[in-house]
Amino acid sequence: GESVGLHLPTLSVQEGDNSIINCAYSNSASDYFIWYKQESGKGPQFIIDIRSNMDKRQGQRVTVLLNKTVKHLSLQIAATQPGDSAVYFCAENNPVAGTALIFGKGTTLSVSS
Amino acid sequence: EPEVTQTPSHQVTQMGQEVILRCVPISNHLYFYWYRQILGQKVEFLVSFYNNEISEKSEIFDDQFSVERPDGSNFTLKIRSTKLEDSAMYFCASGLGERGDTGELFFGEGSRLTVL
Repeated sequence: GESVGLHLPTLSVQEGDNSIINCAYSNSASDYFIWYKQESGKGPQFIIDIRSNMDKRQGQRVTVLLNKTVKHLSLQIAATQPGDSAVYFCAENNPVAGTALIFGKGTTLSVSS
Repeated sequence: EPEVTQTPSHQVTQMGQEVILRCVPISNHLYFYWYRQILGQKVEFLVSFYNNEISEKSEIFDDQFSVERPDGSNFTLKIRSTKLEDSAMYFCASGLGERGDTGELFFGEGSRLTVL
């Protein structure tokens, strides 16, 4: 199964399920977006990025979808594994503001086997 | 694989004391950043540094904070007189390119600051 919806602070799935993590970004001028994974006690780790001229980008087991109309970003993880358990953050960059990334609220993904 | 390294991993200090957090960014990167994360909250941007000067800073980065790249490898964050609310995990990050290049930032493992 899979879970969709508005931003949730936590998401619990079974191993093998597909996961969907949502993010609403704040600035309509932002044109670059990244998903980061943060494991307990560690720094954020890059997963996948997308620029505003794209609606979808796929990586290995992950897909990012961008809906600029509603300022919504989602991360889809296929066949979720226990090692995917972490906090996931979306981050945006507004070119007017420079190169800094602004992070959204995180979603804690818990995968049970 | 090259990585961003930070020291110390954990520092405990008394309120009012000065703290210096150190970072060694990835060697060929040009953009350097400090972020902080209060326990359980989101990652917040503090400052970015390029070409030996601050290029952007947030409201959090007030006069108590300063950054320096004293040599070709280290990038430091100094908090002049720590407050209780400065307790957080501080992340250093570095990036390779200008806008138009990859904007990916590589983060260190963080330095946990506890102010008593």
